[in-house]
Amino acid sequence: EVQLVESGGGAVRPGGSLRLSCGASGFKFDDHGMSWVRQGPGKGLEWISGIYLNAGSTRYADSVKGRFIISRDNAKNSLHLQMNSLTAEDTAFYYCVRGYADRYYFDYWGQGTLVTVSS
Amino acid sequence: EIVLTQSPGTLSLSPGERATLSCRATQSVSNYYLAWYQQKPGLPPRLLIYAASSRAAGIPDRFSGSGSGTDFTLTISRLEPEDFAVYYCQQYGSSPLFSFGPGTIVEIK
Repeated sequence: EVQLVESGGGAVRPGGSLRLSCGASGFKFDDHGMSWVRQGPGKGLEWISGIYLNAGSTRYADSVKGRFIISRDNAKNSLHLQMNSLTAEDTAFYYCVRGYADRYYFDYWGQGTLVTVSS
Repeated sequence: EIVLTQSPGTLSLSPGERATLSCRATQSVSNYYLAWYQQKPGLPPRLLIYAASSRAAGIPDRFSGSGSGTDFTLTISRLEPEDFAVYYCQQYGSSPLFSFGPGTIVEIK
């Protein structure tokens, strides 16, 4: 069974940093591109970053470019998102999802981790 | 930049009725690059349809996708109680790489 489990969310002050992690199991991790998708409270979905199989290719949404860094550790079946210079607009549930430019859709989603940016 | 719009914003129907949800893109989208998701309160989205018309694993055949170019449709042939939820379309393109529509709420009438 495919499982994606996020961790690392929480409350942080504006300008602060947070690192999200996602543990993957039930599939061959290094055969799949991975992404992060976020959803503000009561809002729609926003893809924010993706990383290819061997971490050779990464992309970011304009809203997070230059502030967030996506990475993966295929040996540990884990995905990470380093978030810097956080603002209130980054407050959202962050979902780890399987999929990137290798298949054009997201077929498995984690339960999400909530990031709250507030003073 | 490709922008997706969905209509209607809210669809009020009864169980057993047919639901037709629309997703329109500002530029042509390849069929391979169009997907649909269902989201229930407190849960992450679930993939329903990929490549415009292919059902994801485990999705009942009452869900079907169609369309091409700039106009795509998700049809639920006969609504079951568990189908009342929010539905999003999603495209893969150049910038942004992925984008979602604003969603259609399917509510019980």
